[in-house]
Amino acid sequence: GENVEQHPSTLSVQEGDSAVIKCTYSDSASNYFPWYKQELGKRPQLIIDIRSNVGEKKDQRIAVTLNKTAKHFSLHITETQPEDSAVYFCAADNYGQNFVFGPGTRLSVLP
Amino acid sequence: DADVTQTPRNRITKTGKRIMLECSQTKGHDRMYWYRQDPGLGLRLIYYSFDVKDINKGEISDGYSVSRQAQAKFSLSLESAIPNQTALYFCATSESGLTYGYTFGSGTRLTVV
Repeated sequence: GENVEQHPSTLSVQEGDSAVIKCTYSDSASNYFPWYKQELGKRPQLIIDIRSNVGEKKDQRIAVTLNKTAKHFSLHITETQPEDSAVYFCAADNYGQNFVFGPGTRLSVLP
Repeated sequence: DADVTQTPRNRITKTGKRIMLECSQTKGHDRMYWYRQDPGLGLRLIYYSFDVKDINKGEISDGYSVSRQAQAKFSLSLESAIPNQTALYFCATSESGLTYGYTFGSGTRLTVV
C-alpha cells in the first residue's frame, strides 16, 4: 500500500519569510495530493490540493508543486504570518479508496 | 451549514470498558472514515465505509469495530479499551472518488486509564 513521508517534522521561520514542507510517496498509482492545516485543538482543514496532471498550483500565499517522476510534492508558503502557525499534513490517495497521511510538520512563525 | 459532528468531544474511560464514538454528517457524502491521530504519527486509518452495506478495514483495525447505521451515521467501538488506544479520533467524510478530499469532524479526545 501507499506510504507517505514528510519533512521536516518541525519548522521555525521568521514572520515574512518563506516555508517549504516536502513529502514523498511510494505508489505511482496515486493521483491526488491534498494538504491539510490543523490549528491547535481544531480539526484538519483542506488548504490546497493538486492532481497528477498538474505540476503546480497556487492560491494566494500558498502553492503546491508535484514531481510525479520523483514521487514527491511540496507545500510552499510565502510571506508567512503568525496565523500560519499550525501542523500541516500532506496526503496521497490510495487507489481512490482513502488517503494516506504524512506524519505532519509543526510550523512556528516567529514574530 | 452542512457538517460532520462527533460525540463525545472528550471521554475518559477505564481499561477493559467498552466505548462507542459516534459520527453523523449532513454533507450527503457516501463515504465515511475513522482515523486516529497520535503525535509524530499523523493520521492513521482505522476503518472506512462506502455505503451502509460496505465496511473495510484500514491500517490499524485491531481492537476496533464499526457500524454504519445509515448513510449519515458511522460509529466506532472499542470493545475492551486499553491505554494505548488513548488518542485523538477523527471521523471524516468524502464524496465518491475522493474528488475534493475529506471533511473532518471536530474530533474526540479519548483517554483510557
